[in-house]
Amino acid sequence: AQSVTQLGSHVSVSEGALVLLRCNYSSSVPPYLFWYVQYPNQGLQLLLKYTSAATLVKGINGFEAEFKKSETSFHLTKPSAHMSDAAEYFCAVSEEAAGNKLTFGGGTRVLVKP
Amino acid sequence: DVKVTQSSRYLVKRTGEKVFLECVQDMDHENMFWYRQDPGLGLRLIYFSYDVKMKEKGDIPEGYSVSREKKERFSLILESASTNQTSMYLCASSPPTWTNTEAFFGQGTRLTVV
Repeated sequence: AQSVTQLGSHVSVSEGALVLLRCNYSSSVPPYLFWYVQYPNQGLQLLLKYTSAATLVKGINGFEAEFKKSETSFHLTKPSAHMSDAAEYFCAVSEEAAGNKLTFGGGTRVLVKP
Repeated sequence: DVKVTQSSRYLVKRTGEKVFLECVQDMDHENMFWYRQDPGLGLRLIYFSYDVKMKEKGDIPEGYSVSREKKERFSLILESASTNQTSMYLCASSPPTWTNTEAFFGQGTRLTVV
């Protein structure tokens, strides 16, 4: 069965500082991995995805994530935080063998301090 | 612009009422999903559907049922609403494979059961 663990339910960063959100997954087959962002009172928007091509994935708004099979991790980073990055971020895993169901982590809420 | 539309942003219902949450997508996607979102728990899958009239239980189906009579519409039904079903409900749709796309989410319905 697939599962996702996000370390830290809340992260506080200063504007201009590095954003690092951690995600570890469990999957019995090579997975598809996603990061979604949710702004207040909105649905989820895709930031980036890994689908077995390049292990370093670049997404929107300056975010990127690296797939590390040996560590079963897919951490999300952004070199310089902006106030508009304040949101909740979700890591998700999917296996085609599991019918393409998305399994989500618990989410990490990011606060950006001026 | 692709779109997943949920019929209500906010709903207040009484305990014991039958509640219908409607979701429509305009992308001709085969897969549709219903999730509930609770703080600290992320998104949990209630039901999903691969095709018209097909449905499968997700991780937390108890107290819910679904209906998919047309490809574009996926309804979530709370047979007898209870206070522990107060939550944010998110609908999503996707094509059959993840290779070149992702799941698209609606804006969510915040349901309060009193």
